[in-house]
Amino acid sequence: EDKVVQSPLSLVVHEGDTVTLNCSYEVTNFRSLLWYKQEKKAPTFLFMLTSSGIEKKSGRLSSILDKKELFSILNITATQTGDSAVYLCAVLTGNQFYFGTGTSLTVIP
Amino acid sequence: NAGVTQTPKFRILKIGQSMTLQCTQDMNHNYMYWYRQDPGMGLKLIYYSVGAGITDKGEVPNGYNVSRSTTEDFPLRLELAAPSQTSVYFCASSSASQYTGAIFGSGTRLTVV
Repeated sequence: EDKVVQSPLSLVVHEGDTVTLNCSYEVTNFRSLLWYKQEKKAPTFLFMLTSSGIEKKSGRLSSILDKKELFSILNITATQTGDSAVYLCAVLTGNQFYFGTGTSLTVIP
Repeated sequence: NAGVTQTPKFRILKIGQSMTLQCTQDMNHNYMYWYRQDPGMGLKLIYYSVGAGITDKGEVPNGYNVSRSTTEDFPLRLELAAPSQTSVYFCASSSASQYTGAIFGSGTRLTVV
């Protein structure tokens, strides 16, 4: 059975801290791994990763994939209160996106 | 572009009632999906479609039906609503390459009482 596991389940940090969110997976027919941000509404797309070792970066957010060890990390540097959200990891296998349960991040001023 | 549009945004159903959640996209995407999200949980795939006339079951299809008569529309039908179907439902679509991820609608919050 395909599985996507995220850790930690929740995280509380202070503004300015750096956080690392983890996503591990066990799936057949891996095509890509995606990160989404969800703030009380629909998930919004952050990154798609298909190749190992190549960092994707957008502002203070960055992500990397390890296809040998079957995991990805999402880093957020200099966190801001606007980063508070649930971060979802999804794996595209065949024609389906499988989602993890998410990491709830709360950034305290 | 409107993207993915879902209606209604909120609905309360009584046990045993039926309803259809509407989803339409204007991006000419081949792939469309229905997910449900329970509190504190990730998204579970109910049904998906790779093109008009083609649908397939996801992880949690029981109690639901779908159809895909056009590229734009992918309605989700709930027959005989049960309290276990209380959830937030998201429709999403993606291009055939799927390399830009899935684009989500704003969701429908359904309560079955």
